[in-house]
Amino acid sequence: AQSVTQLDSQVPVFEEAPVELRCNYSSSVSVYLFWYVQYPNQGLQLLLKYLSGSTLVESINGFEAEFNKSQTSFHLRKPSVHISDTAEYFCAVSLYGGSQGNLIFGKGTKLSVKP
Amino acid sequence: DAGVIQSPRHEVTEMGQEVTLRCKPISGHDYLFWYRQTMMRGLELLIYFNNNVPIDDSGMPEDRFSAKMPNASFSTLKIQPSEPRDSAVYFCASSLPTGIGEQFFGPGTRLTVL
Repeated sequence: AQSVTQLDSQVPVFEEAPVELRCNYSSSVSVYLFWYVQYPNQGLQLLLKYLSGSTLVESINGFEAEFNKSQTSFHLRKPSVHISDTAEYFCAVSLYGGSQGNLIFGKGTKLSVKP
Repeated sequence: DAGVIQSPRHEVTEMGQEVTLRCKPISGHDYLFWYRQTMMRGLELLIYFNNNVPIDDSGMPEDRFSAKMPNASFSTLKIQPSEPRDSAVYFCASSLPTGIGEQFFGPGTRLTVL
């Protein structure tokens, strides 16, 4: 069975500092990988995704994630965070070629950016 | 497109009452998902539909929960009777049939059962 582990439930960081949110997955087959972001009192929004090709993917607001197949990881990074990045971040996997229902989420990491 | 629409945004009810949550998916999306989010259990998939047909309801917690999708633009999640432990945020999401798994979420319904 597939699973997603987000190693940190909460990450406090100061504004303009770098941040890394860790995500590891377990799967015996190829997967697609996603990071979703949930701002307070809102639904989840897709932040970035890895489907194929370059293992480094970027979002429009400066986040990036790198797919590492050997370590089964998809860590999310940003070199300099802003107050507005305060949110909860969810890593998710979908089976390659699998049904739409197989989107498995991690338990989330709450990023708190302090001034 | 307005995105996935959910109503009501907030619902407060008393234990034993029937609760109905509503969802309108994005036009053209063939898949619809219902999730529940709590502090203790995180985000849980309850049920999903493809072309209005329920595909997997193994996440529905018990018989008090039921979901329907009478047409491509409307779905309901009903809890009868409601219990305090049902208090949570319920999300609806929809997606295209691309097999990739990218889902678009609604703003959620925050349910409080007293």
